Amino acid sequence: SAVISQKPSRDICQRGTSLTIQCQVDSQVTMMFWYRQQPGQSLTLIATANQGSEATYESGFVIDKFPISRPNLTFSTLTVSNMSPEDSSIYLCSVEMSSYEQYFGPGTRLTVT
Amino acid sequence: GQSLEQPSEVTAVEGAIVQINCTYQTSGFYGLSWYQQHDGGAPTFLSYNALDGLEETGRFSSFLSRSDSYGYLLLQELQMKDSASYFCAVRANYGQNFVFGPGTRLSVLP
Repeated sequence: SAVISQKPSRDICQRGTSLTIQCQVDSQVTMMFWYRQQPGQSLTLIATANQGSEATYESGFVIDKFPISRPNLTFSTLTVSNMSPEDSSIYLCSVEMSSYEQYFGPGTRLTVT
Repeated sequence: GQSLEQPSEVTAVEGAIVQINCTYQTSGFYGLSWYQQHDGGAPTFLSYNALDGLEETGRFSSFLSRSDSYGYLLLQELQMKDSASYFCAVRANYGQNFVFGPGTRLSVLP
């Protein structure tokens, strides 16, 4: 199993600003994932972050808008840049502890005004 | 592309049995997982199927038919605390990421 923490748990930001979300895992993991979830909707994968390499982004997400850092095997950050109200969402990080089981952080609820 | 379908809502009463279906269209198939998410909470892993058949974990069971591209989650002896959203997620090939279904909101009534 894995225990994942995220900071901040929630934030209200003004459009045009940026927010960096931190994700900390209690054990070393190769891959970390960042998801976005609109309230009442499914989870959409933003990118996969491997330590020591560039993040891999899914279709529709770009590095300039969602830069990701992965400085070590237990930590990652996701920045939401130049925010607009459409970026209001819940952002979740997760890790895989086996080929079929993911553990998720508690999420960061972002509201952009 | 890949697509998954789930019923949007299911309602049942305490003590009953409910089945949540998931059909998928993917380029390949490696495994199907199920997750539970309470309002305001994080998704938590429930069950996984890679081969056809039934996997049982306490009150929850999951079934897979690869030939039908179909799976379901079976919840028995429903409790109020089972009210949550349930997501199926499919991995098409080893090394690829899971794709999540749209989710099914289960409401358990007293």
